[in-house]
Amino acid sequence: KAGVTQTPRYLIKTRGQQVTLSCSPISGHRSVSWYQQTPGQGLQFLFEYFSETQRNKGNFPGRFSGRQFSNSRSEMNVSTLELGDSALYLCACSDVPNTEAFFGQGTRLTVV
Amino acid sequence: GNSVTQMEGPVTLSEEAFLTINCTYTATGYPSLFWYVQYPGEGLQLLLKATKADDKGSNKGFEATYRKETTSFHLEKGSVQVSDSAVYFCALSRAGGGADGLTFGKGTHLIIQP
Repeated sequence: KAGVTQTPRYLIKTRGQQVTLSCSPISGHRSVSWYQQTPGQGLQFLFEYFSETQRNKGNFPGRFSGRQFSNSRSEMNVSTLELGDSALYLCACSDVPNTEAFFGQGTRLTVV
Repeated sequence: GNSVTQMEGPVTLSEEAFLTINCTYTATGYPSLFWYVQYPGEGLQLLLKATKADDKGSNKGFEATYRKETTSFHLEKGSVQVSDSAVYFCALSRAGGGADGLTFGKGTHLIIQP
């Protein structure tokens, strides 16, 4: 059974640019959540999607957005990148929301 | 709101030593509790879970018991190995569902020396 796949694994972007990250969940898992991990703030919840609907969003500015497709794959987008957006972005999926979540390896975003 | 508190470390132990990583939480109702482990350069792996009071989760020699009376979910292992070196995260999910994801502690960096 394939795990959670995040692409790309590494990204380097310049301030002011935008970026799109992708997450393919485990087959049959319709709930996809995104987290930002930084040394200072730890793991912070970004948003959750279930059946193509965003169910909730964490305390992040509107520059952070996402979507989910009918095959449960999800993307998150960050516009007008800032240096502080440098982080490991983790995608997690579950078959039912708020149960045990399975994480991908993450996308390491560096903003220069 | 929900919160999780755990010792951040680093915690350094010798191989075969006994391990305890403390975790306490604040939440309404009866959340589900989890321990995740993160190896360098990797995402998080679910280590064990407990969904109700007095449940004991266990996996790979690690154990944790859901203690409602002390709002705790301490992680223990009787004899650690060098390969257990990693960062360990305690987490909870809100009781009754809800769409605000998992709430994580800051993580405990564990270093096992041979």
